[in-house]
Amino acid sequence: KAGVTQTPRYLIKTRGQQVTLSCSPISGHRSVSWYQQTPGQGLQFLFEYFSETQRNKGNFPGRFSGRQFSNSRSEMNVSTLELGDSALYLCASSLVGGASNYGYTFGSGTRLTVV
Amino acid sequence: KNEVEQSPQNLTAQEGEFITINCSYSVGISALHWLQQHPGGGIVSLFMLSSGKKKHGRLIATINIQEKHSSLHITASHPRDSAVYICAVRWNTGNQFYFGTGTSLTVIP
Repeated sequence: KAGVTQTPRYLIKTRGQQVTLSCSPISGHRSVSWYQQTPGQGLQFLFEYFSETQRNKGNFPGRFSGRQFSNSRSEMNVSTLELGDSALYLCASSLVGGASNYGYTFGSGTRLTVV
Repeated sequence: KNEVEQSPQNLTAQEGEFITINCSYSVGISALHWLQQHPGGGIVSLFMLSSGKKKHGRLIATINIQEKHSSLHITASHPRDSAVYICAVRWNTGNQFYFGTGTSLTVIP
């Protein structure tokens, strides 16, 4: 059974550019959530998608957005990149997510460096 | 302010020792998650629990809802257990997880 796949693994972008990250969940999982991890702030929740709809959103500016496709694959986009957006971006998939107690499986993450 | 606190921040143990990592939170939760993160970033979900105790191999997780506290125990620790262990909680009032700052564990052979 394939795990959660995140692409690309590493990315270097320049301030002001935009970036799109991809997450393919475990087959059959309908919930995909995204997280940002930085040395200063630790792990923080970005948003969660379920059945192509954003179900929850963390406290991040509008430059951070996402979407989910009918096959449950999800993308997140960051526009007008800032140096502070340099981080490890992780996604996790779950059968249902939300308020359920189904477990989560994490991807290996995309390490974004903004220069 | 809703908070998640972990202790200790850093922990060094000899191989074979029994290890305990603690997580305390400030208000009622619907679920608590223990995560393991190895150098390089990959995160593994160890346990998700809302009451009682769960065991998997040498790992045991307990939660006391009344005391708002959870512990992760590692028996017969091994150098491959060296990692950062992160506690995450889902408050009763929401659906997203909030994370502790992690406990960095080093097990020396």
